[in-house]
Amino acid sequence: QVQLQQSGPGLVKPSQTLSLTCAISGDSVSSNIAAWNWIRQSPSRGLEWLGRTYYRSKWYNDYAGSVKSRITINPDTSKNQFSLQLNSVTPEDTAVYFCARDLAIAASGTRLGFDPWGQGTQVTVSS
Amino acid sequence: DIQMTQSPSSLSASVGDRITITCRASQSISFYLNWYQQKPGRAPKVLIYAASSLQSGVPSRFSGSGSGTDYTLTISGLQPEDFATYYCQQSYSLPWTFGQGTKVEVK
Repeated sequence: QVQLQQSGPGLVKPSQTLSLTCAISGDSVSSNIAAWNWIRQSPSRGLEWLGRTYYRSKWYNDYAGSVKSRITINPDTSKNQFSLQLNSVTPEDTAVYFCARDLAIAASGTRLGFDPWGQGTQVTVSS
Repeated sequence: DIQMTQSPSSLSASVGDRITITCRASQSISFYLNWYQQKPGRAPKVLIYAASSLQSGVPSRFSGSGSGTDYTLTISGLQPEDFATYYCQQSYSLPWTFGQGTKVEVK
Protein backbone atom coordinates (compact mmCIF):
# COMPACT_ATOMS: atom_id res chain seq x y z
CA GLN A 1 0.00 0.00 0.00
CA VAL A 2 1.48 3.31 -1.08
CA GLN A 3 1.48 6.09 1.49
CA LEU A 4 2.63 9.69 1.34
CA GLN A 5 3.62 11.55 4.50
CA GLN A 6 4.01 15.32 4.35
CA SER A 7 6.16 17.46 6.62
CA GLY A 8 7.04 21.12 6.86
CA PRO A 9 6.13 24.36 8.62
CA GLY A 10 2.59 25.67 8.73
CA LEU A 11 3.53 29.34 8.98
CA VAL A 12 5.72 31.26 6.54
CA LYS A 13 6.46 34.98 6.50
CA PRO A 14 5.74 37.05 3.39
CA SER A 15 8.64 37.16 0.89
CA GLN A 16 10.18 34.02 2.37
CA THR A 17 10.31 30.47 0.99
CA LEU A 18 7.69 27.80 1.60
CA SER A 19 9.32 24.36 1.90
CA LEU A 20 7.47 21.04 2.20
CA THR A 21 8.58 17.43 1.92
CA CYS A 22 6.60 14.34 0.92
CA ALA A 23 8.02 10.98 2.04
CA ILE A 24 7.01 7.95 -0.01
CA SER A 25 6.46 4.43 1.31
CA GLY A 26 5.43 1.48 -0.81
CA ASP A 27 6.70 2.96 -4.09
CA SER A 28 9.82 4.60 -5.45
CA VAL A 29 10.31 8.24 -6.40
CA SER A 30 12.31 6.82 -9.33
CA SER A 31 9.38 4.75 -10.64
CA ASN A 32 9.09 4.74 -14.41
CA ILE A 33 5.30 4.91 -14.38
CA ALA A 34 4.63 7.42 -11.60
CA ALA A 35 4.76 11.19 -11.37
CA TRP A 36 4.97 13.01 -8.06
CA ASN A 37 2.83 16.10 -7.75
CA TRP A 38 2.10 19.07 -5.53
CA ILE A 39 -1.44 20.44 -5.42
CA ARG A 40 -2.89 23.18 -3.24
CA GLN A 41 -6.41 24.09 -2.21
CA SER A 42 -7.79 27.40 -1.05
CA PRO A 43 -11.30 28.87 -0.91
CA SER A 44 -10.40 31.49 -3.51
CA ARG A 45 -8.54 29.29 -6.02
CA GLY A 46 -10.05 25.84 -5.41
CA LEU A 47 -7.84 22.87 -6.22
CA GLU A 48 -4.76 24.04 -8.12
CA TRP A 49 -2.11 21.74 -9.54
CA LEU A 50 1.35 23.29 -8.97
CA GLY A 51 3.78 20.91 -10.58
CA ARG A 52 5.39 17.49 -10.73
CA THR A 53 8.64 15.59 -10.97
CA TYR A 54 9.10 12.22 -12.61
CA TYR A 55 11.78 9.84 -13.87
CA ARG A 56 11.87 8.39 -17.38
CA SER A 57 15.54 7.48 -17.81
CA LYS A 58 16.23 11.01 -16.58
CA TRP A 59 14.45 13.49 -14.34
CA TYR A 60 11.76 15.81 -15.64
CA ASN A 61 9.74 18.63 -14.10
CA ASP A 62 6.59 20.42 -15.16
CA TYR A 63 5.18 23.50 -13.44
CA ALA A 64 1.98 25.50 -13.57
CA GLY A 65 2.35 28.85 -15.28
CA SER A 66 0.91 30.67 -12.27
CA VAL A 67 3.92 29.73 -10.11
CA LYS A 68 6.56 28.80 -12.69
CA SER A 69 8.97 31.60 -11.78
CA ARG A 70 8.86 30.76 -8.06
CA ILE A 71 8.60 26.96 -7.76
CA THR A 72 11.06 24.09 -7.55
CA ILE A 73 10.14 20.44 -7.08
CA ASN A 74 13.05 18.11 -6.39
CA PRO A 75 13.31 14.36 -5.94
CA ASP A 76 15.54 12.91 -3.22
CA THR A 77 16.34 9.33 -4.15
CA SER A 78 18.44 8.69 -1.03
CA LYS A 79 15.40 9.34 1.18
CA ASN A 80 12.71 8.29 -1.31
CA GLN A 81 10.90 11.59 -1.08
CA PHE A 82 10.29 14.77 -3.02
CA SER A 83 10.06 18.38 -2.00
CA LEU A 84 8.35 21.63 -2.85
CA GLN A 85 9.94 25.04 -2.61
CA LEU A 86 7.89 28.12 -3.36
CA ASN A 87 9.79 31.40 -3.22
CA SER A 88 8.68 34.94 -2.48
CA VAL A 89 5.39 33.92 -0.94
CA THR A 90 2.50 36.31 -0.35
CA PRO A 91 -0.75 35.88 1.59
CA GLU A 92 -2.30 34.62 -1.68
CA ASP A 93 -0.18 31.48 -1.26
CA THR A 94 -2.05 30.60 1.92
CA ALA A 95 -3.63 27.20 1.27
CA VAL A 96 -3.69 23.54 2.16
CA TYR A 97 -0.86 21.88 0.25
CA PHE A 98 -1.06 18.24 -0.82
CA CYS A 99 1.40 15.89 -2.43
CA ALA A 100 -0.01 13.15 -4.67
CA ARG A 101 1.08 10.42 -7.05
CA ASP A 102 -0.32 9.83 -10.49
CA LEU A 103 0.26 6.77 -12.62
CA ALA A 104 0.16 6.37 -16.36
CA ILE A 105 -0.18 3.12 -18.25
CA ALA A 106 2.31 3.61 -21.05
CA ALA A 107 0.79 1.08 -23.45
CA SER A 108 -2.67 2.69 -23.47
CA GLY A 109 -1.86 6.21 -22.33
CA THR A 110 -4.46 5.84 -19.57
CA ARG A 111 -3.90 8.10 -16.60
CA LEU A 112 -5.23 6.76 -13.31
CA GLY A 113 -5.77 10.01 -11.44
CA PHE A 114 -4.10 11.32 -8.31
CA ASP A 115 -3.82 8.47 -5.84
CA PRO A 116 -2.77 8.36 -3.11
CA TRP A 117 -2.58 11.84 -1.56
CA GLY A 118 -0.64 13.07 1.41
CA GLN A 119 -2.53 14.18 4.48
CA GLY A 120 -2.34 17.87 3.59
CA THR A 121 -0.49 20.74 5.26
CA GLN A 122 -2.19 24.01 6.08
CA VAL A 123 0.31 26.73 5.19
CA THR A 124 -0.43 30.28 6.27
CA VAL A 125 1.58 33.20 4.92
CA SER A 126 1.60 35.91 7.54
CA SER A 127 4.01 38.11 9.41
CA ASP B 1 -5.22 26.10 -19.90
CA ILE B 2 -8.31 23.89 -20.09
CA GLN B 3 -11.16 25.24 -17.98
CA MET B 4 -13.38 22.73 -16.17
CA THR B 5 -16.90 23.81 -15.26
CA GLN B 6 -19.06 21.72 -12.97
CA SER B 7 -22.79 21.96 -12.43
CA PRO B 8 -24.53 22.32 -10.19
CA SER B 9 -22.31 23.97 -7.57
CA SER B 10 -24.40 22.33 -4.89
CA LEU B 11 -27.38 20.05 -4.62
CA SER B 12 -29.62 18.71 -1.89
CA ALA B 13 -30.57 15.06 -1.93
CA SER B 14 -31.87 12.25 0.25
CA VAL B 15 -30.50 8.82 1.01
CA GLY B 16 -31.46 6.50 -1.82
CA ASP B 17 -31.65 9.23 -4.46
CA ARG B 18 -29.96 9.00 -7.82
CA ILE B 19 -27.90 12.11 -8.53
CA THR B 20 -25.92 13.34 -11.50
CA ILE B 21 -23.09 15.87 -11.59
CA THR B 22 -21.91 17.36 -14.86
CA CYS B 23 -18.46 18.54 -15.85
CA ARG B 24 -17.76 20.46 -19.04
CA ALA B 25 -14.27 21.09 -20.44
CA SER B 26 -13.38 24.15 -22.50
CA GLN B 27 -12.05 21.82 -25.22
CA SER B 28 -12.21 18.13 -26.00
CA ILE B 29 -10.31 16.04 -23.47
CA SER B 30 -10.75 12.62 -25.04
CA PHE B 31 -11.90 10.69 -21.95
CA TYR B 32 -8.98 12.03 -19.83
CA LEU B 33 -11.35 12.88 -17.01
CA ASN B 34 -11.16 11.87 -13.36
CA TRP B 35 -13.67 12.26 -10.53
CA TYR B 36 -12.81 12.77 -6.85
CA GLN B 37 -14.73 12.81 -3.59
CA GLN B 38 -13.58 15.04 -0.75
CA LYS B 39 -14.83 15.15 2.82
CA PRO B 40 -14.06 18.02 5.21
CA GLY B 41 -10.49 18.01 6.49
CA ARG B 42 -9.48 15.14 4.18
CA ALA B 43 -7.60 14.82 0.93
CA PRO B 44 -9.61 14.09 -2.21
CA LYS B 45 -10.11 10.44 -3.12
CA VAL B 46 -10.26 9.25 -6.72
CA LEU B 47 -13.52 7.53 -7.64
CA ILE B 48 -13.44 7.32 -11.43
CA TYR B 49 -10.53 7.62 -13.87
CA ALA B 50 -10.48 7.76 -17.66
CA ALA B 51 -14.09 9.00 -17.62
CA SER B 52 -15.73 5.67 -16.76
CA SER B 53 -13.28 3.31 -15.02
CA LEU B 54 -14.11 2.62 -11.40
CA GLN B 55 -11.15 2.89 -9.03
CA SER B 56 -10.48 -0.29 -7.08
CA GLY B 57 -12.47 -0.41 -3.86
CA VAL B 58 -15.02 2.22 -4.92
CA PRO B 59 -18.66 1.07 -4.64
CA SER B 60 -20.44 0.24 -7.89
CA ARG B 61 -23.15 2.84 -7.21
CA PHE B 62 -20.65 5.36 -8.58
CA SER B 63 -20.40 5.55 -12.35
CA GLY B 64 -18.97 7.92 -14.92
CA SER B 65 -19.73 8.59 -18.55
CA GLY B 66 -19.18 11.11 -21.28
CA SER B 67 -16.94 12.02 -24.15
CA GLY B 68 -15.48 15.03 -25.89
CA THR B 69 -16.13 17.99 -23.64
CA ASP B 70 -19.04 16.70 -21.51
CA TYR B 71 -18.85 14.20 -18.67
CA THR B 72 -21.12 13.04 -15.85
CA LEU B 73 -20.75 11.39 -12.48
CA THR B 74 -23.79 9.45 -11.30
CA ILE B 75 -24.44 8.07 -7.83
CA SER B 76 -27.25 5.50 -7.92
CA GLY B 77 -28.71 5.08 -4.46
CA LEU B 78 -27.07 7.78 -2.39
CA GLN B 79 -25.68 6.53 0.93
CA PRO B 80 -25.08 8.58 4.10
CA GLU B 81 -21.32 8.45 3.54
CA ASP B 82 -21.70 9.99 0.06
CA PHE B 83 -22.54 13.48 1.33
CA ALA B 84 -19.35 15.27 0.34
CA THR B 85 -17.88 17.54 -2.32
CA TYR B 86 -17.09 16.11 -5.76
CA TYR B 87 -14.50 17.40 -8.22
CA CYS B 88 -13.68 16.61 -11.81
CA GLN B 89 -10.12 16.91 -13.15
CA GLN B 90 -8.74 16.73 -16.65
CA SER B 91 -5.52 14.83 -17.36
CA TYR B 92 -5.46 15.55 -21.10
CA SER B 93 -2.99 18.40 -21.17
CA LEU B 94 -0.84 20.32 -18.72
CA PRO B 95 -1.50 22.08 -16.51
CA TRP B 96 -3.89 19.56 -14.96
CA THR B 97 -7.01 21.46 -13.91
CA PHE B 98 -9.96 20.83 -11.64
CA GLY B 99 -13.59 21.84 -11.61
CA GLN B 100 -14.78 24.13 -8.86
CA GLY B 101 -16.60 21.36 -7.03
CA THR B 102 -20.16 20.19 -6.37
CA LYS B 103 -21.28 19.95 -2.77
CA VAL B 104 -23.84 17.22 -2.13
CA GLU B 105 -25.88 18.06 0.95
CA VAL B 106 -28.64 16.40 2.92
CA LYS B 107 -32.11 17.53 1.91
